[in-house]
Formats: sequence, C-alpha cells, structure tokens
Amino acid sequence: DAGITQSPRHKVTETGTPVTLRCHQTENHRYMYWYRQDPGHGLRLIHYSYGVKDTDKGEVSDGYSVSRSKTEDFLLTLESATSSQTSVYFCAISENREMGAFFGQGTRLTVV
Amino acid sequence: GQQLNQSPQSMFIQEGEDVSMNCTSSSIFNTWLWYKQDPGEGPVLLIALYKAGELTSNGRLTAQFGITRKDSFLNISASIPSDVGIYFCAGQPGGTSYGKLTFGQGTILTVHP
Repeated sequence: DAGITQSPRHKVTETGTPVTLRCHQTENHRYMYWYRQDPGHGLRLIHYSYGVKDTDKGEVSDGYSVSRSKTEDFLLTLESATSSQTSVYFCAISENREMGAFFGQGTRLTVV
Repeated sequence: GQQLNQSPQSMFIQEGEDVSMNCTSSSIFNTWLWYKQDPGEGPVLLIALYKAGELTSNGRLTAQFGITRKDSFLNISASIPSDVGIYFCAGQPGGTSYGKLTFGQGTILTVHP
C-alpha cells in the first residue's frame, strides 16, 4: 500500500456536518474506487472513477459524492453525515486485470 | 445488486490443518479474486482467477474458478499462525472496470498454535 495514501486515517464527526475523505496515489493508475466496509457486508462499492472528471456510482452511492480533478487524487464527500455512514472507508486503485484492485489502509469514520 | 455468499463465516482450526472456504454467486463473473485482510489494514490480493475451471496456486494457497463461473474455492494447506485474518472472495464482471468488485461477507480464520 505504499502507493496509496488515505487521509485522515481516523475521524469523528457530528451528524449533519460535511466530511471529505481523500485518496492520493503515486502509481498513476487510471481507475480509482471508494469502498465502505461494515460487519457482515464485506466491502461495498460507493463510487468509482475511470479517469479525471469521469466518475460513476457504485452499489451504495446514496449520500456520497466524489470528485477527481487530478489523476492522483480521488475525493469522497459526505454532504451531511449520518450515523449510518459510520464505517471504514477504503480507497482502491487499478490499472489492469491482473492486479485486481489495490487497497489503501482505510479511514475509520465515526458519525455521532 | 449481485450477491456473493461466502462460507463458512468463521473457522477455528489447529496449526497444521488444512482450510477450505468457498463463494457462490447468483451471477456469472469473468474474474474471481481472493483477498486477505489483517486487522487495521486494507485487503491484500492473494490469488486471481481468469478462466472457468482454472486452478491456481500461490505457495500453500490454491484457488479454483468454478466451471459454472458462479463459484470459487480457496484452500490453505498446513495452516500457520500468520494465516489468521479475514479472507474475502470477490467477483469482477467483464469489461475494463478492473477494480469494480463484488465482495463476499468474509471468512474469519483463527489458527490455534
């Protein structure tokens, strides 16, 4: 995971506040993804990006938005955080079929 | 959305024993992946499978891509304490969205020395 940095690693926020999580990669990979991980659900795809300014929704996109203005950065925004968005968020990158997806270390977000 | 059913949910085994886990899907996948996750870390790719019927090994790990393309199996032989963690299967649809994965719920593996 040396090529992916997620920030912050931990965050506690209040219900109703906006929150932005950042994913930065140094691998110059084209594809970037945001997943959330919750007990009993494995990892679920929130949003993904095929390239700069090219994003699409995943399985659980409600309440989330993303932006990708540079190849290396993919931002996930919770416009108005809710307790149901308490989770661990993982960024992933991919470039080819053989590598699947390469994951960052995660951001633990708690909404109180 | 697509569902992956992974079993068992957890396993408690003695060091040296072999382990088997599997995943089944309601849909066809073109690629099956197996990941391992350690506490506080992101998932790490163990094995990738690209063809129905394919059997692939990585050290003590062996995985198979089911003939129907709706299932996959992972075996770990002669388990050791560092095998402890959560194992996830993941299916990848066709096309070029290589990281757009559907994950199973995970198998928690505990190895007793």
